[in-house]
Amino acid sequence: GAVVSQHPSRVICKSGTSVKIECRSLDFQATTMFWYRQFPKKSLMLMATSNEGSKATYEQGVEKDKFLINHASLTLSTLTVTSAHPEDSSFYICSAVGGGSGTHPYEQYFGPGTRLTVT
Amino acid sequence: AQSVTQPDIHITVSEGASLELRCNYSYGATPYLFWYVQSPGQGLQLLLKYFSGDTLVQGIKGFEAEFKRSQSSFNLRKPSVHWSDAAEYFCAVGITGGFKTIFGAGTRLFVKA
Repeated sequence: GAVVSQHPSRVICKSGTSVKIECRSLDFQATTMFWYRQFPKKSLMLMATSNEGSKATYEQGVEKDKFLINHASLTLSTLTVTSAHPEDSSFYICSAVGGGSGTHPYEQYFGPGTRLTVT
Repeated sequence: AQSVTQPDIHITVSEGASLELRCNYSYGATPYLFWYVQSPGQGLQLLLKYFSGDTLVQGIKGFEAEFKRSQSSFNLRKPSVHWSDAAEYFCAVGITGGFKTIFGAGTRLFVKA
């Protein structure tokens, strides 16, 4: 149980275009989802926290107009990188915190990540 | 402020040798503690977690970790390392307010034959 998926697993886009990454909790309802960014050989940097039906809370230094987060349902959150540039190339990972059987309220369940390359 | 320190950026051990990866945290309340492993280009896999109770926690793949409150540590151990254990290991602390998780910088494990 407690599986989180991400789609796509990797994407290449041209500079100036936008790209959407989906994060889904497959077998539980995610009350809270998190989006992380990971630079090569670095740790995970929390970008934002999203709760279903409300606006995301962004960490300091993260541009909310560039990284649009929508948590439309208890099983789906999306991250849209708008007007992407090469410096946005990175590995993006989502995680979810859920409720109900099979989950712990303080344990995050991670997706497999999305490799974004902006050319 | 809450923080997680993994003092070793990388460690090299011989296959079959024992392993200990260090983790120290700074957090005012009782922490929720995690160890994750990440292979190149992959997501994070949970090795083990500590929420309460027995301070020696068993995880997957033969790993264990011990929570020592007096030392604010949660070191990861394995008695005999396999070549497939070569990966990046992250220690993390769960923050009870807001459900956030703070990650250490990671320790890259190299295994030599």
